[in-house]
Amino acid sequence: EAQVTQNPRYLITVTGKKLTVTCSQNMNHEYMSWYRQDPGLGLRQIYYSMNVEVTDKGDVPEGYKVSRKEKRNFPLILESPSPNQTSLYFCASSFLAGDRETQYFGPGTRLLVL
Amino acid sequence: AQSVAQPEDQVNVAEGNPLTVKCTYSVSGNPYLFWYVQYPNRGLQFLLKYITGDNLVKGSYGFEAEFNKSQTSFHLKKPSALVSDSALYFCAVRVKGGYNFNKFYFGSGTKLNVKP
Repeated sequence: EAQVTQNPRYLITVTGKKLTVTCSQNMNHEYMSWYRQDPGLGLRQIYYSMNVEVTDKGDVPEGYKVSRKEKRNFPLILESPSPNQTSLYFCASSFLAGDRETQYFGPGTRLLVL
Repeated sequence: AQSVAQPEDQVNVAEGNPLTVKCTYSVSGNPYLFWYVQYPNRGLQFLLKYITGDNLVKGSYGFEAEFNKSQTSFHLKKPSALVSDSALYFCAVRVKGGYNFNKFYFGSGTKLNVKP
């Protein structure tokens, strides 16, 4: 089954404790992306990756890191989480070519930073 | 700055009536336009997209949208609403080329309520 998986689905942590949210896709997509969803703000792009070892900042990259060492995986790293990073996070992947272009989203990770 | 606007936080419609969810965008360059739907406690699901060609695009579950370049709009429509269409709808744009190439911009979302 074609899917994007994220882990963990729920996470409660404390300020400053490093964490990683994993994302994996099984569709051989070149493009992967991380978003955060906050009430009234919709989705905002954090980082995206065009392919292995190619990443770039989205609109709200501050406080986040990513890496793309393998095509299928795109982990999101919070080196020193703060309460303003409490949010719902989505990973997505896609081909980037005309008819095949559409993003598939993971189920989301709900993060609470105390 | 690139932006996507969904001017209505909520749209209420009776089952069987037509529905419209509005979206306008402001981007420098030619856009790819998308609509996604989010059901409670779920990720986003793709509905339809405009890449090029015919301005009227048809998508999943009977939805359609019309790309209007002069009005920079991409409104989502359905001729006859179902209660099961009740969900949160997001408009999104990706710019083809330029500095922000490959970035996605989403609207703030519109909650659609379809009453029986």
